[in-house]
This record gives sequence, C-alpha cells and structure tokens, in this order.
Amino acid sequence: EPEVTQTPSHQVTQMGQEVILRCVPISNHLYFYWYRQILGQKVEFLVSFYNNEISEKSEIFDDQFSVERPDGSNFTLKIRSTKLEDSAMYFCASSERSGDYEQYFGPGTRLTVT
Amino acid sequence: AQKVTQAQTEISVVEKEDVTLDCVYETRDTTYYLFWYKQPPSGELVFLIRRNSFDEQNEISGRYSWNFQKSTSSFNFTITASQVVDSAVYFCALSNSNYQLIWGAGTKLIIKP
Repeated sequence: EPEVTQTPSHQVTQMGQEVILRCVPISNHLYFYWYRQILGQKVEFLVSFYNNEISEKSEIFDDQFSVERPDGSNFTLKIRSTKLEDSAMYFCASSERSGDYEQYFGPGTRLTVT
Repeated sequence: AQKVTQAQTEISVVEKEDVTLDCVYETRDTTYYLFWYKQPPSGELVFLIRRNSFDEQNEISGRYSWNFQKSTSSFNFTITASQVVDSAVYFCALSNSNYQLIWGAGTKLIIKP
C-alpha cells in the first residue's frame, strides 16, 4: 500500500540553524501539506501546496518557513533560522484531490531545537 | 470563524465497554467535510473516516460508528466493545473552504484491560 514517507524521523538542531524536513508524498497525489504538532497539543495547519505553488498558508507559516518540490517526488519544508518554539512534530500529508479527499499523513519528523 | 471542539480531554474505560468521543464544530460554510484521525502512542496520524456536510447518514465500520448531526453541529465517534489497542488520541477535524484541516484538541482514550 502506498504511503507518505518522511525523513529524518528525529532532527536535533541548535537555535538559529537552518533545517530541511523531507517528505515523499504518495506518487499520484497532487496536493501536499505540512502540519505541526507541538508536544501534547493539537495539530496545526502550516501550508498547502498544489501545482508547484503555495495554495494556502497559516499565520504560523511566516518568512522563516518555505516549501519546495525540488523534483518529481520530494516535498520539503525549510525553516531558515530555528527558534526554540519551533520544536514540534512536523507532519507531511498528501491527497489525491483537495476538499473531500482524505489526507494521508507521513509518520512525522520530530524537530528538537536546543 | 471555524472551530472544532473536543470537550473531553481524556476518557478512561475498561476493556469491552462502549465509549463515545464527542466532536462539535463551527463553520459558516454550507459545504464542508469532517474527519476523524487516530494517533496511537507511536505518533502517526491514521485516517478513520471523512464525511461531507450533505451526507448525514450514520456510518458503521466494524466496532466503530459515527453519528453526524447537522442540527447540533456534532460528529460523534463511538467505539463498541473497546479493546486495549484502541488506546490512542483521537482527533476530529474540519476541512474548510480553503481545504485546510482545522483540528480539535484531541481526546486521549485509555482502555484498561
């Protein structure tokens, strides 16, 4: 069964460093998303991406964040200068279509900023 | 404003009991979609169900059932004859007109043997 994969599973970085979180969505999916979940809290939408551009982004997704689909398979989230409060689980998701179609989630990348 | 409220922070029951997880939502959209996801201790998010706003039929899948009531803006989830493996955090979510998922705070379900 096809699945969304994410690497690394855990990333530890120092405050101020840049990190890139990687995702490989399901191959025939067209819509891609990033969510984050601070430990013990709700899941929060960050950004959606379709046709090589951002469709929607939340208030959390400020200038420190960027997304890219550098090739036909990877979908990346870059945080330019990490802050302590960026520590969270970051989930990538993809869906075949938008709206009523379920989003399939990857296993997440736990980002720890020290 | 769109919002999903899961008022039950944590529920603990003994195995084989039935348990209902509540979800109340707010939206001004006439077309919207509701979802339930399960997050086991391992941390991944597992899709359980989606429901669109025009389909108020209740759904049953094995021990799981969902009760969607537009009149009360609720989309409750019932597990019948609960099992220890059902222990997880369960999230209700609403897909808004921009197709973002708006998440509830989650309900932690503990099934004791």
